[in-house]
Amino acid sequence: GAVVSQHPSWVICKSGTSVKIECRSLDFQATTMFWYRQFPKQSLMLMATSNEGSKATYEQGVEKDKFLINHASLTLSTLTVTSAHPEDSSFYICSASPVTGDVSPLHFGNGTRLTVT
Amino acid sequence: GQNIDQPTEMTATEGAIVQINCTYQTSGFNGLFWYQQHAGEAPTFLSYNVLDGLEEKGRFSSFLSRSKGYSYLLLKELQMKDSASYLCAVSDSNYQLIWGAGTKLIIKP
Repeated sequence: GAVVSQHPSWVICKSGTSVKIECRSLDFQATTMFWYRQFPKQSLMLMATSNEGSKATYEQGVEKDKFLINHASLTLSTLTVTSAHPEDSSFYICSASPVTGDVSPLHFGNGTRLTVT
Repeated sequence: GQNIDQPTEMTATEGAIVQINCTYQTSGFNGLFWYQQHAGEAPTFLSYNVLDGLEEKGRFSSFLSRSKGYSYLLLKELQMKDSASYLCAVSDSNYQLIWGAGTKLIIKP
């Protein structure tokens, strides 16, 4: 159980365009989902916490107008990279847990490798 | 500030045992996680420790000492497929996960 699906697995886009990444919890409801970014040979960096029905909480240094997060239902959160630039090329991973406000292992989507040309 | 330290890279031989250490300084503690991440893939959950002591799960074991702010992941009977990065993460007083930079484990035949 506790499966998180992320789509697409990889995407190549041109500089200046926008890309939407979907994260779905398939067999549980997630009031909170997390979006991470990982550059090569570096650890996970939390970008934002997505809260169902309310605004996302962004980490320091992450532009909320560039990385738009929508968590419209208990099973779906989307991350839109707007006006993408080559420096946005990275591995984006979402995660969620069936339990909030408690310690519970995070379940990760398979990640989306974004390449901006 | 909050900090998680683990070695950047380790090398071990197939069939051997390796111990990956993790030390932490965080504001509060609600448990420590170990994740495995193969190159180009998302992390997968390995273990969770919140009380002192050793938790054994097949070939993998995880140890925690809260007084020392220290944990280790022990991998026995190493297999080539164990080549991966191993991430240590601590849940702080707000249940926020603080991540280490990961330890890249290289297994040689």
